[in-house]
Amino acid sequence: EAGVAQSPRYKIIEKRQSVAFWCNPISGHATLYWYQQILGQGPKLLIQFQNNGVVDDSQLPKDRFSAERLKGVDSTLKIQPAKLEDSAVYLCASSPKTGGQPQYGYTFGSGTRLTVV
Amino acid sequence: QKEVEQNSGPLSVPEGAIASLNCTYSDRGSQSFFWYRQYSGKSPELIMFIYSNGDKEDGRFTAQLNKASQYVSLLIRDSQPSDSATYLCAVNIMRGSSNTGKLIFGQGTTLQVKP
Repeated sequence: EAGVAQSPRYKIIEKRQSVAFWCNPISGHATLYWYQQILGQGPKLLIQFQNNGVVDDSQLPKDRFSAERLKGVDSTLKIQPAKLEDSAVYLCASSPKTGGQPQYGYTFGSGTRLTVV
Repeated sequence: QKEVEQNSGPLSVPEGAIASLNCTYSDRGSQSFFWYRQYSGKSPELIMFIYSNGDKEDGRFTAQLNKASQYVSLLIRDSQPSDSATYLCAVNIMRGSSNTGKLIFGQGTTLQVKP
């Protein structure tokens, strides 16, 4: 099966600019996650979708970050305006079930490396 | 207290030795635990999961879980230079009665296997 697709792979922007990332999960996977991974740290969950509804966005900085998952398939994550501390890898993951239960885990995409200068 | 804690390392072992990676977690209600491997510049890759107390073996990898001590470990036998990577421990945290959960990751332990 095809994996989780993300684009772009790399993005360099100036602070205060806006940027958007795209994710296409594995076909049929109901749950989609966006994680932020700052260099030297583990991934931090930003937002979790179940189909096209938001399950958890408690760690999403809503003053500058937004995300949507139209029709319960593709998702976009947007940052506007970007700050220097947003420099990180943004990982999208999907799973067929909620909660990362055993034998499902998560499948991660290759990520988007964002550099804010 | 962080929800999932790992020693960032680096942990350096000689080729052929056993590498032992450790993780502690704070949520006593956690039921499932995962180990991911992440090579530099790559995304995390699931290598093992465990949800029962005791040991679970898969090839050269053994995951160990002790829920009473809130402790998870990963042993890598006959370590190879290709095992050099960051190992992320992840714990599934369930949300109340909604039957949804989320994976919380530790900061990862960097393993270096020297030839």
